[in-house]
Amino acid sequence: EAQVTQNPRYLITVTGKKLTVTCSQNMNHEYMSWYRQDPGLGLRQIYYSMNVEVTDKGDVPEGYKVSRKEKRNFPLILESPSPNQTSLYFCASSTSGRTDTQYFGPGTRLTVL
Amino acid sequence: QKEVEQDPGPLSVPEGAIVSLNCTYSNSAFQYFMWYRQYSRKGPELLMYTYSSGNKEDGRFTAQVDKSSKYISLFIRDSQPSDSATYLCAMSGTGRRALTFGSGTRLQVQP
Repeated sequence: EAQVTQNPRYLITVTGKKLTVTCSQNMNHEYMSWYRQDPGLGLRQIYYSMNVEVTDKGDVPEGYKVSRKEKRNFPLILESPSPNQTSLYFCASSTSGRTDTQYFGPGTRLTVL
Repeated sequence: QKEVEQDPGPLSVPEGAIVSLNCTYSNSAFQYFMWYRQYSRKGPELLMYTYSSGNKEDGRFTAQVDKSSKYISLFIRDSQPSDSATYLCAMSGTGRRALTFGSGTRLQVQP
């Protein structure tokens, strides 16, 4: 089954404790992206990657890091999480020529205390 | 002012009604227009995709784009309780490197 998977699905942590949210896709997509979803603000892009070793900032990259060492994986790293990063996070992927038709993962609900 | 404006709802309609969902936008560079459906506790799923102006129909769903007015719509005919979800409009420009989303409209179809 073609899908985007994220882990963990739920995470409660404390300020300053480094964490990683993993994202993996099995569709051989070149393009991958991370979004956060907050009430009243919709989905906002954090980082995206056009292909392996190629990443770029989205609209709200502050406080986040990403890496793309393999085509299928695109982890999101919070080096020092803060309460304002409490949000619902989605990973998405698509073929490089169709970034407009992205497939989304199930989401990771992160709470930073 | 947000680049994409969408009424948050909630919009409550009886089963069988015609539903109209709308977004307005300010960036004239947007060329690709999408509607995503998001069920509670799930990721968004692509529902409709339209390039430039015009209409597109898929079953009970019709997407309309009016670039001159910077206005897009999604119509749902014969709405069903299973259509109850949040509907997100999204759009992108010719570079297609990022999607800009509306904040979503929550729809409830009452049986």
